[in-house]
Parts: sequence; C-alpha cells; structure tokens
Amino acid sequence: GAGVSQSPSNKVTEKGKDVELRCDPISGHTALYWYRQSLGQGLEFLIYFQGNSAPDKSGLPSDRFSAERTGGSVSTLTIQRTQQEDSAVYLCASSFLLSGELFFGEGSRLTVL
Amino acid sequence: GEDVEQSLFLSVREGDSSVINCTYTDSSSTYLYWYKQEPGAGLQLLTYIFSNMDMKQDQRLTVLLNKKDKHLSLRIADTQTGDSAIYFCAESMDQAGTALIFGKGTTLSVSS
Repeated sequence: GAGVSQSPSNKVTEKGKDVELRCDPISGHTALYWYRQSLGQGLEFLIYFQGNSAPDKSGLPSDRFSAERTGGSVSTLTIQRTQQEDSAVYLCASSFLLSGELFFGEGSRLTVL
Repeated sequence: GEDVEQSLFLSVREGDSSVINCTYTDSSSTYLYWYKQEPGAGLQLLTYIFSNMDMKQDQRLTVLLNKKDKHLSLRIADTQTGDSAIYFCAESMDQAGTALIFGKGTTLSVSS
C-alpha cells in the first residue's frame, strides 16, 4: 500500500490476555518504529528496527512487551498478560534509512478491561 | 537525559497568528522537527530545521530556533480552523537517526 498500515485499528481485551499488533511499513523503508500514545503522556518511544535488528529496545516498558520484524518488512508488537495501564494508542512509523521524516500509521487503539 | 517540553494547550481565533513553543535539553540535537496530528489520524511531518539554522519559513509556517536557550517555536500565520490539531516538537541526536524524542504535544484550538 501507499502508507503505513496497522492492524487491528481497535482492540478490546481482558486483563491478563496477550495481544499482537501488526505494522506493515511503506515498501522500501528500512527503519521501523513503535511509539505509544497515552492521554497526558504524549508519544513514548518503545523500540525501533533497522532492517530486522533492534539496536534500541530501551523504551519497552516491561518484559511483557516484545517486538519482532521479519524480512525487513512487517513488524509485530506483542504484549503479554495485558494490564489496564497498557491501554493506549500504539503508533507505528517507518522511514527510509534512519531519517527524521517518519511516516506514521493511524495507530492501533488498545483497551484493556 | 533527553527531554522535550511543550505547553499543552493553545487557543486562538481564526485569522490570528499562533505560536507554539518547545524547549529541549540536549544541545547535541542535530535536527528539530514539528509534526501535526489531526483528530483520529497518525502524525505527519510539518517541517524541520537543522541545528545550524535559526529560522526557516515555509508558506504560513515559520520555525525559529534559539540554540543558546534550546528553544524552538512554530508560528502559524493567519490560523485557520483546519489548523486545529495537536502539534508535536521532536528532536533527533545525530544524522544517522536513532529514534525521535517527542514532546507531549500542544493542542491548538482555532475558533471562528
């Protein structure tokens, strides 16, 4: 597609369940980023990939969060044993090489009940 | 550590100028960015400025950078209701990238 695609757009889950969020970046973009947007917290950096490797995982909030990227393209962000504080919009972005011009998807809104 | 601060809200009347301010802490920032997020949408790059510049103009947008005070501002001339959105300031550390560090965003509300 022409832009960054994220799925699902909305996810409601029960506390303790695992969720997977998917990001399909713009074709040819080598860098992929995950951010979390919560009310009052702005954009919180989670992780980025250059190709399939993740040089910087420092933003992942806990070991319940993990992400992978395969084939230099699609990425999945997995949250295990979800908690209510995980409720947020998870934004994915991609860029050509490591550039400040990020192209964002519309986000996946996660609600943990 | 890195930190980007912005005021949270700004309200202006249509036709007025809007000025959104941002301060950052890392003097080694190479590029500084302004992103815009419209309701229900992802962020979109508006403009950016290289750290060796002090001003950049792009149609109704003017970016001013005071590197000594680590202060960045975005001025929108003749503000329109369509400019209502959240505006994020962001910094990056070097040309090779690493992830952008964003501020919390300033919600601009434009009334007619």
